[in-house]
Amino acid sequence: NAGVTQTPKFRVLKTGQSMTLLCAQDMNHEYMYWYRQDPGMGLRLIHYSVGEGTTAKGEVPDGYNVSRLKKQNFLLGLESAAPSQTSVYFCASSPLQALHTEAFFGQGTRLTVV
Amino acid sequence: AQSVSQHNHHVILSEAASLELGCNYSYGGTVNLFWYVQYPGQHLQLLLKYFSGDPLVKGIKGFEAEFIKSKFSFNLRKPSVQWSDTAEYFCAVNIGNNRLAFGKGNQVVVIP
Repeated sequence: NAGVTQTPKFRVLKTGQSMTLLCAQDMNHEYMYWYRQDPGMGLRLIHYSVGEGTTAKGEVPDGYNVSRLKKQNFLLGLESAAPSQTSVYFCASSPLQALHTEAFFGQGTRLTVV
Repeated sequence: AQSVSQHNHHVILSEAASLELGCNYSYGGTVNLFWYVQYPGQHLQLLLKYFSGDPLVKGIKGFEAEFIKSKFSFNLRKPSVQWSDTAEYFCAVNIGNNRLAFGKGNQVVVIP
């Protein structure tokens, strides 16, 4: 049971380049999330989705776009990467029954923008 | 502003010492509370959670947490830590649709 899988695990980008981070979950979860983790800041929510075809902004959405074309996948896009987007990105998913359950996290993607 | 606060970002202690990490939140209404742990180089794993009922919650690896509604707190404790407890610990609050608001984390280092 793979759970939540993120690709790639590491990436170095030049300023201005674009890339897409892929998150895939095999637990048939309705909800999916993208967080970024920065030292001393904890995790902050970028975007999230409450179902296939839906997306919503989180706490720090600027500079990112997302898509949820398939229930099991949640893509995070950086159209023009900036050094401030150097971070570790975590994807998470949770079931529709939001009460009495928790979010499950992927292994993370370490992104460096130079 | 609504927030989750964790104090003493860096904690260093010896094996067998007791650990207590504080967490205070400012969200109103019914809250679901979590403690997650992140071991070096790994993803977040759930330690324990509180939804309702007994305010003293027991989790994995000997951890427990106490929900005190009047103090808006959810402090994490472990009576005797091991070297393998070296990790970063995050308190989180469910703010709807299972979105989590995290504290800034506590980096705990256990010295053998």
